[in-house]
Amino acid sequence: GAVVSQHPSWVICKSGTSVKIECRSLDFQATTMFWYRQFPKQSLMLMATSNEGSKATYEQGVEKDKFLINHASLTLSTLTVTSAHPEDSSFYICSAQLGAQETQYFGPGTRLLVL
Amino acid sequence: SQQGEEDPQALSIQEGENATMNCSYKTSINNLQWYRQNSGRGLVHLILIRSNEREKHSGRLRVTLDTSKKSSSLLITASRAADTASYFCATVSDTGRRALTFGSGTRLQVQP
Repeated sequence: GAVVSQHPSWVICKSGTSVKIECRSLDFQATTMFWYRQFPKQSLMLMATSNEGSKATYEQGVEKDKFLINHASLTLSTLTVTSAHPEDSSFYICSAQLGAQETQYFGPGTRLLVL
Repeated sequence: SQQGEEDPQALSIQEGENATMNCSYKTSINNLQWYRQNSGRGLVHLILIRSNEREKHSGRLRVTLDTSKKSSSLLITASRAADTASYFCATVSDTGRRALTFGSGTRLQVQP
């Protein structure tokens, strides 16, 4: 099956710093990538939808200036959490979709802890 | 926003028993999917059922969909300790938007 990787798998940072998370589709070209956030013992919440070469579409309540998404190629999308604060501590998961196919392939997630 | 609810929130059974999880959603859908998530890990796609389908099987999994009630169920037969995980339903709306909207999840514990 299709493989999606995320890097780093976990990160600890100080409050006020920025953190970049990469999401890569390893064996297919992903026209669309999605970013989700999951707080402990909760479900996944969609943050934004990213199409290659265009601006991301953010969900209501997600600050686009705080969560910068770049999808510069068909195999890479990045999420940058700018000026991270402790409340941004969460599990961030990306998924990738090929064309109009229905299945989304999920990355293993990145655990962010902001001190 | 979160689409709907799953019940039960948590389920503990013995190995060999069947596990049934239910999912309700709120809007019209194109398809509904079930995912498994082991603790602190990514999601694994289990099965997809389209809005014009009522039942689907895959190995020990059986999924039903009732669009009139906006509900779905996932049945895992002859459960194994390795089935211990959280299970989420997720819907794709029929508006053309391709993002998944997840349910609240069921934490399944299978006792050996």
